[in-house]
Amino acid sequence: QKEVEQNSGPLSVPEGAIASLNCTYSDRGSQSFFWYRQYSGKSPELIMSIYSNGDKEDGRFTAQLNKASQYVSLLIRDSQPSDSATYLCAANNAGNNRKLIWGLGTSLAVNP
Amino acid sequence: DVKVTQSSRYLVKRTGEKVFLECVQDMDHENMFWYRQDPGLGLRLIYFSYDVKMKEKGDIPEGYSVSREKKERFSLILESASTNQTSMYLCASSSRDSGLYEQYFGPGTRLTVT
Repeated sequence: QKEVEQNSGPLSVPEGAIASLNCTYSDRGSQSFFWYRQYSGKSPELIMSIYSNGDKEDGRFTAQLNKASQYVSLLIRDSQPSDSATYLCAANNAGNNRKLIWGLGTSLAVNP
Repeated sequence: DVKVTQSSRYLVKRTGEKVFLECVQDMDHENMFWYRQDPGLGLRLIYFSYDVKMKEKGDIPEGYSVSREKKERFSLILESASTNQTSMYLCASSSRDSGLYEQYFGPGTRLTVT
């Protein structure tokens, strides 16, 4: 069974702090990894994609990938209350690249 | 920007009714997906389509069917709605051209079956 695992949280951080969200995956053949943000009652929104080992930065967001450890993380710098949401991690299914394997999400609360 | 639209944001149906959920994307994506999302269960794939008239079952296809007659449109059909199909239904699309098969979601349809 191919899985993506995330800590469900809630992760609570003060405004302005760095939020660190983590994800592990079981399919060693996965090559592409995604972070989605989902506000309550809304649909998931893609915020970062990464497929090379190392860091990828986009504004306040940094995605980190370590394929040897099968580990993906998302750092949110200068966290804002508007970042409060559930963050979903996904990995491509190596057996069928069109499909993604989804984690259950980590709930983040940024406190003013 | 990718635009994925769904026919309804909220829908209330009675047990036994046939229900149609429509999804349209405007980016010429070849792949389209239907998921349902329930608290504690995450996103579960119902069906997906990789070309017109082509479809594959996902993880939970029972009680559902799909139709893709045009590239931009993917429909989910609940043949005989039941209360355990009350859920948030999400449509997504993706393309091999992006290389990463990033999926883009519509706004979702919250379906209640009474």
